[in-house]
Amino acid sequence: EADIYQTPRYLVIGTGKKITLECSQTMGHDKMYWYQQDPGMELHLIHYSYGVNSTEKGDLSSESTVSRIRTEHFPLTLESARPSHTSQYLCASSTRGQLETQYFGPGTRLLVL
Amino acid sequence: QKEVEQNSGPLSVPEGAIASLNCTYSDRGSQSFFWYRQYSGKSPELIMFIYSNGDKEDGRFTAQLNKASQYVSLLIRDSQPSDSATYLCAVRANQGAQKLVFGQGTRLTINP
Repeated sequence: EADIYQTPRYLVIGTGKKITLECSQTMGHDKMYWYQQDPGMELHLIHYSYGVNSTEKGDLSSESTVSRIRTEHFPLTLESARPSHTSQYLCASSTRGQLETQYFGPGTRLLVL
Repeated sequence: QKEVEQNSGPLSVPEGAIASLNCTYSDRGSQSFFWYRQYSGKSPELIMFIYSNGDKEDGRFTAQLNKASQYVSLLIRDSQPSDSATYLCAVRANQGAQKLVFGQGTRLTINP
């Protein structure tokens, strides 16, 4: 069982607000990821990190930003939320190496009004 | 062509039958293959992974890999209504950033 946590689990917020979605893992995994997924739709990778002070943009363009100051923590920030940001945001982590497997957190459901 | 392709379904299977889920991938250098299950409104959970050609069994689940045909499948024996979910195939290449690439998922419904 993976120990990866996300807060908040649900968030309803108004347009223009700044929000930070938290993700933390206690497994010491080097790699962490943020995915965006609309209901019934594909997972889209929006950011990833292979270690402290390393962040990269994913395959889907996103207005969000991330930081990786500590191994266990990978927050995602939206400076100015818009209704188009309404979605589910999933954080994941994995070890390095060929045998690595990726584990997901429970997700944050975001609704921007 | 998508890197990882799955039939989006829905796939309906009667309870007790074998459910067969298929996935093809385009990168011939791919080395690691994963199956995730995602219940509606939940996050994906890992079911199985496979690295070598052939079959790998874990309880009611069997993953099959054929690298020559660039094809990976998941068989679920004695299907139960609780197996109803979306099944995601994921593939990792051996080169480059080694990110996990997910298919769009197959929605499976087990009918009692």
